[in-house]
Amino acid sequence: RKEVEQDPGPFNVPEGATVAFNCTYSNSASQSFFWYRQDCRKEPKLLMSVYSSGNEDGRFTAQLNRASQYISLLIRDSKLSDSATYLCVCKAAGNKLTFGGGTRVLVKP
Amino acid sequence: DARVTQTPRHKVTEMGQEVTMRCQPILGHNTVFWYRQTMMQGLELLAYFRNRAPLDDSGMPKDRFSAEMPDATLATLKIQPSEPRDSAVYFCASGLVLRQGAFYEQYFGPGTRLTVT
Repeated sequence: RKEVEQDPGPFNVPEGATVAFNCTYSNSASQSFFWYRQDCRKEPKLLMSVYSSGNEDGRFTAQLNRASQYISLLIRDSKLSDSATYLCVCKAAGNKLTFGGGTRVLVKP
Repeated sequence: DARVTQTPRHKVTEMGQEVTMRCQPILGHNTVFWYRQTMMQGLELLAYFRNRAPLDDSGMPKDRFSAEMPDATLATLKIQPSEPRDSAVYFCASGLVLRQGAFYEQYFGPGTRLTVT
């Protein structure tokens, strides 16, 4: 079993709709959580951190559920430019990041 | 703006040949990471350095892979001899860690797309 698991998708989303997806992690010692975005044939880039209280950045909302060991990402009012692979990332003690396999999102007109 | 650079961007080589990939971290960053990404395995950490010292290379096949930081502006990843299963995209990332456990962002380079035939 992988340490960080994601539904690979793709999630086909009509433009303007809302999409949400989760990521589960197995290492209960994980301390910090992030969502990275990766466009096709590009490098991953930090989208947002995930805080215990949940946090919002524009149309993006991230939530953390430590009891059930999952984090979520919700995208409201989807844009065509939101089409990408979203990587869930966990950090335990130290500076190592563990990446999930990614969830592919396709926003269609 | 500051970016991580990697060379070469693409490399096609024959099995058994040596491959050297280079990375220039963002000036002032004190941590450097090497990752490998494949469709099957996703993004895997191979090795990382802090202040040029290797901290963890447990994800790297020791018999054929080696990672070094000859100086603060250059990190290298070598594969010798290369095998077809090494075909992947190799990313370098750098970040600035001011204290243990502190949050920081890892900035990724554009990657080296390696094909071993």
